[in-house]
Amino acid sequence: EPEVTQTPSHQVTQMGQEVILRCVPISNHLYFYWYRQILGQKVEFLVSFYNNEISEKSEIFDDQFSVERPDGSNFTLKIRSTKLEDSAMYFCASSDPGLASEQYFGPGTRLTVT
Amino acid sequence: GQNIDQPTEMTATEGAIVQINCTYQTSGFNGLFWYQQHAGEAPTFLSYNVLDGLEEKGRFSSFLSRSKGYSYLLLKELQMKDSASYLCAVRGPIKAAGNKLTFGGGTRVLVKP
Repeated sequence: EPEVTQTPSHQVTQMGQEVILRCVPISNHLYFYWYRQILGQKVEFLVSFYNNEISEKSEIFDDQFSVERPDGSNFTLKIRSTKLEDSAMYFCASSDPGLASEQYFGPGTRLTVT
Repeated sequence: GQNIDQPTEMTATEGAIVQINCTYQTSGFNGLFWYQQHAGEAPTFLSYNVLDGLEEKGRFSSFLSRSKGYSYLLLKELQMKDSASYLCAVRGPIKAAGNKLTFGGGTRVLVKP
């Protein structure tokens, strides 16, 4: 069964450093998303991406964040100048265009900012 | 905006039935999803409702009433492996592209022998 993959599974970084989280969505999907989940809290939407551009973003997704689809398979989330409060599990998801289609989540990257 | 409420925690016995309620107030609605999330893992899709009524899928069923802003997930014949968090998520108005999900806080279900 096709699945969303993410690398790395765990990233530790120092405050102020830049990190890039990588995702490979399911190959025939057209919509891509990033969500995050701070430990013990709800899953929060960050951004959705379609046709090589951002289609929607949340208030969390400020200038510190950017997304890119550098080639036909990868989808990345870059966090510039990380802060302690960026520590969370980051989930990538993808879906096809159907109205009833669910979003498939990757296993997540646990980001720890020290 | 979206506001989604579900109980924090529920406990049930193996073999029993548990019903997890979810209420929502949204500025737009285009479907409600239930996901299962084991600790430290990704959410996995369980069910989808967009019209009123009951959707049954094996041991899991989900119900939706749009006029009441209410859904429930019913888990039957509980097994130990069903111990997990169950997330209610609402999809907002369809935009030209992108269907963001807004999640509730999740209901942690503990199944006891």
